[in-house]
Amino acid sequence: EVQLVESGGGLVQPGGSLRLSCVASGFTFSAYWMSWVRQAPGKGLEWVANIKEDESEKSYVDSIKGRFTISRDNAKSAVFLQMNSLTDDDTAMYFCARQVYGDYVDYWGQGTLVTVSS
Amino acid sequence: EIVLTQSPDFQSVTAKEKVTITCRASQSIASSLHWYQQKPDQSPKLLIKYASQSIPGVPSRFRGGGSGTDFTLTINGLEAEDAATYYCHQTSGLPRTFGQGTKVEIK
Repeated sequence: EVQLVESGGGLVQPGGSLRLSCVASGFTFSAYWMSWVRQAPGKGLEWVANIKEDESEKSYVDSIKGRFTISRDNAKSAVFLQMNSLTDDDTAMYFCARQVYGDYVDYWGQGTLVTVSS
Repeated sequence: EIVLTQSPDFQSVTAKEKVTITCRASQSIASSLHWYQQKPDQSPKLLIKYASQSIPGVPSRFRGGGSGTDFTLTINGLEAEDAATYYCHQTSGLPRTFGQGTKVEIK
């Protein structure tokens, strides 16, 4: 059974940093692109970033470029999102997701909540 | 950026009725369009891939269609468990984008 378990969310002040983690199980992690997708409270889905199997390609939505960094550790079946210079607009549930052929998402984690507030 | 516009934003429907949600892309995306269902306090679930391809385990009443810029998600014979928000998602270009969502309520 495919499982994606996120952690690392919490309350942080504006300008602060957080590192989200997602540990995968139930599939060959190193064979899949992975993504982060977020959802602000009461709002729709927003794709944030993705990373290729071997880390050779990474892409980001413009609103987080230069502030967030996606990475992965295939030996630990984990993907990470380092978030710096956080603002109120980054408050959201952050979902880890598995991509098929770097394309559509077929599995999602349950999410980890990030709240940016003073 | 490819913008996806869904209509309607909200639909209140009686059980067993047919529901049609449309998703329009700001430029042609061929068939790189996928549909997700999200129930309250749950993560999204994949319903349809590549515009019209079914997903194992998803009830056959969910059907997708279209290509290019205009796409539809049809629910034939709405059931109570289908109350949710539905999102379209394109993977033709970067950044990946989602439609704003269509909330379906059961009357």
